[in-house]
Amino acid sequence: ILNVEQSPQSLHVQEGDSTNFTCSFPSSNFYALHWYRWETAKSPEALFVMTLNGDEKKKGRISATLNTKEGYSYLYIKGSQPEDSATYLCASPNYGGSQGNLIFGKGTKLSVKP
Amino acid sequence: GAVVSQHPSRVICKSGTSVKIECRSLDFQATTMFWYRQFPKQSLMLMATSNEGSKATYEQGVEKDKFLINHASLTLSTLTVTSAHPEDSSFYICSAPKPYSVKFTDTQYFGPGTRLTVL
Repeated sequence: ILNVEQSPQSLHVQEGDSTNFTCSFPSSNFYALHWYRWETAKSPEALFVMTLNGDEKKKGRISATLNTKEGYSYLYIKGSQPEDSATYLCASPNYGGSQGNLIFGKGTKLSVKP
Repeated sequence: GAVVSQHPSRVICKSGTSVKIECRSLDFQATTMFWYRQFPKQSLMLMATSNEGSKATYEQGVEKDKFLINHASLTLSTLTVTSAHPEDSSFYICSAPKPYSVKFTDTQYFGPGTRLTVL
């Protein structure tokens, strides 16, 4: 069974701090790694879909890297702002299934204090 | 982007009652919708896959007679929790890929979820 792990579970930073967290996944039969940002009472918002080893993607102050050989991805937030407070989820497609659902980590909950 | 709505956002019911949760794709047609649930401190776990015009497929351990799924149109899937019990209290959320999306690599679009509390 595919297992996606995220660390840390939660993170508290001050406004202006840069931060990063990790998603690890099985490196065999890799297709893609998805990152979502999930604010309370809202829909999870897609940040990145990463497919190639060495990929680096950026969206504003948020960026992500991918290492498929060792099975991890990092998400970085530069100069955190209170509006970055959310739970960040990573997910891997269920390759064993036929429908294309995602298998999620438990998420990293980020709190940014003003 | 694409928008998926879910209704209701929160429901509290008595044990033994049935609860219907709606998931709608507002600006695209969804032939497939996924239903996940999340228990406290756990990850989102797939319950079932809803396919327009055919029967849903359920994950191991999910009772199909208890969690009824109907995907009657290309924009609406419903999940009915029949005879709900306190152990069914959870967060239920749906997602859908856009049509013609590449199965593993394209984004999926999520509703905001439904918090079910069974007393």
